[in-house]
Amino acid sequence: AQTVTQSQPEMSVQEAETVTLSCTYDTSESNYYLFWYKQPPSRQMILVIRQEAYKQQNATENRFSVNFQKAAKSFSLKISDSQLGDTAMYFCAFMKRGTMKTSYDKVIFGPGTSLSVIP
Amino acid sequence: DSGVTQTPKHLITATGQRVTLRCSPRSGDLSVYWYQQSLDQGLQFLIQYYNGEERAKGNILERFSAQQFPDLHSELNLSSLELGDSALYFCASSVADGVGEKLFFGSGTQLSVL
Repeated sequence: AQTVTQSQPEMSVQEAETVTLSCTYDTSESNYYLFWYKQPPSRQMILVIRQEAYKQQNATENRFSVNFQKAAKSFSLKISDSQLGDTAMYFCAFMKRGTMKTSYDKVIFGPGTSLSVIP
Repeated sequence: DSGVTQTPKHLITATGQRVTLRCSPRSGDLSVYWYQQSLDQGLQFLIQYYNGEERAKGNILERFSAQQFPDLHSELNLSSLELGDSALYFCASSVADGVGEKLFFGSGTQLSVL
């Protein structure tokens, strides 16, 4: 069974600074996807970024980027130029890729990291 | 707005009761997932449906059941409710965009069992 671990329950960062959130996962699969989701105080779950395991290039979405180390099973999220609106719970998630185009497996979430951006 | 609609937003009920949570997926999405988020358990996967059929099952209690209808909306039924069932219940839908699945979440139903 796959597991996702986030070892930092809480983190804080000064506005405009850079912060890195850690995530490790355990799987025997070779073909899968990794995600970072954000849950602000509104409690809405928002997809931040996605990485395909077969791609060596790290995904980037504006101020958000990942450091994907497949051999180490590590998937960290870097937030640059932190903004007050980045204050949220961040969840790392894993999904095994299915064998059919529309047949995918459930998404497994880590326990989350609560990030506070300080003015 | 994710395009996934969940009703009701809040539900307060008593122990032993039964409730139904409803989810309408994004237009064109065939998969619906149900998750439970509680303070001590994090986000727990309950069940997934794809085009009306059960596809994957997580740690869903026997008191809970779900189904996906021909119009693709889904309902999660919770019966014999206990205090510990109080949680935020999320529905998510997904589309395969050719390079990987993305989950789009509804705003959740906050269930309080008193």
